[in-house]
Amino acid sequence: NAGVTQTPKFQVLKTGQSMTLQCAQDMNHNSMYWYRQDPGMGLRLIYYSASEGTTDKGEVPNGYNVSRLNKREFSLRLESAAPSQTSVYFCASTATTVGEQFFGPGTRLTVL
Amino acid sequence: AQSVTQLDSQVPVFEEAPVELRCNYSSSVSVYLFWYVQYPNQGLQLLLKYLSGSTLVESINGFEAEFNKSQTSFHLRKPSVHISDTAEYFCAVTRMDSSYKLIFGSGTRLLVRP
Repeated sequence: NAGVTQTPKFQVLKTGQSMTLQCAQDMNHNSMYWYRQDPGMGLRLIYYSASEGTTDKGEVPNGYNVSRLNKREFSLRLESAAPSQTSVYFCASTATTVGEQFFGPGTRLTVL
Repeated sequence: AQSVTQLDSQVPVFEEAPVELRCNYSSSVSVYLFWYVQYPNQGLQLLLKYLSGSTLVESINGFEAEFNKSQTSFHLRKPSVHISDTAEYFCAVTRMDSSYKLIFGSGTRLLVRP
């Protein structure tokens, strides 16, 4: 039981490049989330998927797109990376709306 | 809209001393409350949560938090800290109306010194 896994762990991009962050969970959870963590700002919700087949914007969705590929996988895409998207990205999942959210180890992204 | 305020960005404390990490929230509706801990270079782990019932909740490693509705606070306390408690601690809230979203505070870095 791996929990929530994220790939890659580290990534450096140039401004304008695109990339997809992958997230998978093996706990049969319905809901999945993408957050970004910036110093002094806590975690901010980018997008979430309450159930397979649905996605909704969070607090900071601009510049990102998501895909809920199936119940296990939830990817985050940066179509044209900008330096402001330099951050640590976390994926999380939960079985219920008020249950514990389980977090992945994070992806550290630097955009030059 | 909900918001969470953690007034202390960093709290230095000596080993075996007590500590309190403060969390205040604002919300026009009832909320559930959480404390998460993040050890260096790791993801977040749930420390404890308040959903209903007793306003004092405890974790397995000696932390406790008390929900105070009148003061809209959910402060985290430990009577005696260890070096291994050094980490960043995040307070978070979610609405009771199933919006699925956690709103986090900016975090408090607990630094335990020998």
